[in-house]
Amino acid sequence: DTGVSQNPRHKITKRGQNVTFRCDPISEHNRLYWYRQTLGQGPKFLTYFQNEAQLEKSRLLSDRFSAERPKGSFSTLEIQRTEQGDSAMYLCASSTRVDTEAFFGQGTRLTVV
Amino acid sequence: GDSVTQMEGPVTLSEEAFLTINCTYTATGYPSLFWYVQYPGEGLQLLLKATKADDKGSNKGFEATYRKETTSFHLEKGSVQVSDSAVYFCALSELSGNQFYFGTGTSLTVIP
Repeated sequence: DTGVSQNPRHKITKRGQNVTFRCDPISEHNRLYWYRQTLGQGPKFLTYFQNEAQLEKSRLLSDRFSAERPKGSFSTLEIQRTEQGDSAMYLCASSTRVDTEAFFGQGTRLTVV
Repeated sequence: GDSVTQMEGPVTLSEEAFLTINCTYTATGYPSLFWYVQYPGEGLQLLLKATKADDKGSNKGFEATYRKETTSFHLEKGSVQVSDSAVYFCALSELSGNQFYFGTGTSLTVIP
């Protein structure tokens, strides 16, 4: 287990389609985070899981977004009815505690055309 | 609420120049502080961290000291290299919280 893995790395989709991204965290990490990053900006928090429980969601996470972490292992982030404004890099991170560093995956770059 | 403010870029330096990227924070408690680096098309990599006041984080020639009195965590390097060209993000997290807060990033370009 060499780090946080995200798939796919790139996704191009047509507006209105649904997309799903997967994140495999470092195996012993019980905390998992999703962030969204647009060009020239820092990562913005979307949601947080502790084990399988989704404990916090940002206002950025509209009704079209849903995230799951079944059995506290991998996580998926689904965007329904994609819009051009959803184009961004979606980053997943995991950690053991919130006051220690988070380890990030390489991200999934979504382009909505 | 918690937030991080960092120096806007882009920053362009010649090789072997001294680097400072300023970062200040606002936090309700006693945060841990981090610097992350991001290379083009990649995720974020931890560069260094400090978990309490007066701690100094260091890695690969970079240093930052946790200054509670000035709520700052400025990143420094004595002699930058071309390979240091990247975007640098200051971040914080609190034990009582559930997320990391990031600054907007500072783009650094080092020219030979």
